[in-house]
Amino acid sequence: DTAVSQTPKYLVTQMGNDKSIKCEQNLGHDTMYWYKQDSKKFLKIMFSYNNKELIINETVPNRFSPKSPDKAHLNLHINSLELGDSAVYFCASSQAFRGAQGNEKLFFGSGTQLSVL
Amino acid sequence: AQTVTQSQPEMSVQEAETVTLSCTYDTSESNYYLFWYKQPPSRQMILVIRQEAYKQQNATENRFSVNFQKAAKSFSLKISDSQLGDTAMYFCAFMIYNQGGKLIFGQGTELSVKP
Repeated sequence: DTAVSQTPKYLVTQMGNDKSIKCEQNLGHDTMYWYKQDSKKFLKIMFSYNNKELIINETVPNRFSPKSPDKAHLNLHINSLELGDSAVYFCASSQAFRGAQGNEKLFFGSGTQLSVL
Repeated sequence: AQTVTQSQPEMSVQEAETVTLSCTYDTSESNYYLFWYKQPPSRQMILVIRQEAYKQQNATENRFSVNFQKAAKSFSLKISDSQLGDTAMYFCAFMIYNQGGKLIFGQGTELSVKP
């Protein structure tokens, strides 16, 4: 079983559309994340959620809205897509976001490549 | 500002040889973790090795080892007996302890292992 799974793996869409990327983890972790990898392969955190509560929001445009219906799921909805949103989006999870040793280990999904035309 | 710098955008090495990838970072924090991640063409992010900043002993994982110089804020990765499967993008990253799992990544080094 895949520990952190994202769907879809590839997403091609037109400018102005609204799209969602889904993420699920079966590791029993409390914390989930979204990271963005741009065209130059640079990775940066977007959001983190701990037990459905937003912990980190790295000045991401309001068009991006994460939603966590339960601690095993963290979906990313993007409104009014722009060309600059084209990137690979990675979901990740960790046991917790602070405290005991081992919580720093992130498990990544395989990424969703978003192409906005 | 907390930053990670990888000064080698691309490197190549012959199969079975040893290669070292460089990484420097900047932070005023004293408790943090350092990581090397590998991203092969499959795009999957794979943790290669991890170092806790309070530990002086350099971490090793099979053919992978690090040279951690805390005072110099340097964290290089040595790959011994390079294999074709080591061909990938390698990212250096750090995480401040107790700050919510936020990884700060370097720009990456693309490593090619040649037969």
